[in-house]
Amino acid sequence: QQPVQSPQAVILREGEDAVINCSSSKALYSVHWYRQKHGEAPVFLMILLKGGEQKGHEKISASFNEKKQQSSLYLTASQLSYSGTYFCGTDGVKISSGYALNFGKGTSLLVTP
Amino acid sequence: DVKVTQSSRYLVKRTGEKVFLECVQDMDHENMFWYRQDPGLGLRLIYFSYDVKMKEKGDIPEGYSVSREKKERFSLILESASTNQTSMYLCASYSFGAGDNEQFFGPGTRLTVL
Repeated sequence: QQPVQSPQAVILREGEDAVINCSSSKALYSVHWYRQKHGEAPVFLMILLKGGEQKGHEKISASFNEKKQQSSLYLTASQLSYSGTYFCGTDGVKISSGYALNFGKGTSLLVTP
Repeated sequence: DVKVTQSSRYLVKRTGEKVFLECVQDMDHENMFWYRQDPGLGLRLIYFSYDVKMKEKGDIPEGYSVSREKKERFSLILESASTNQTSMYLCASYSFGAGDNEQFFGPGTRLTVL
């Protein structure tokens, strides 16, 4: 039940845009996005909830298509600081009022000068 | 501003040793998680706990056990370490309904089993 991320890796020049996709084989209530820089812990970017609005964080935004069971992360006008591995997390085992997360394998993003 | 800490950043153990990885969070979160991270495989859930003394298996619990005696502390135990348990181990915690439901991760422990 691990979500599938694509692409596996992408190299951008500073200022270019990128899209990272996350697909699930099951109906989703939420999708979480995290970024992990080399040697550091993953850091939360945003969560998208079923029926919720598209989210944004600086020049990073995301959408959630409930019917297609997929989410996309949009990075516009990329900066060097965007480099890292991006993970999506989707609903796993239910815990009380929420879920544990199943994470994808990650998308490695490198932004070059 | 420390939120989730792990006992060691790097650990080297020998095959067959019993290994303890400790995680402490200071946010009063009820839910805590242990993941292992391997190149090309992403983050895989080993065990999680939703309350003191409560634990649930994740996707890859074989060879591991956990302990949660206090709300802030969640320990991962490798009963008899094997070389295929060489990995990066990440602890995380979060509280449903608090803010964005984000998981806070610790810095990780890179375990090498020789």
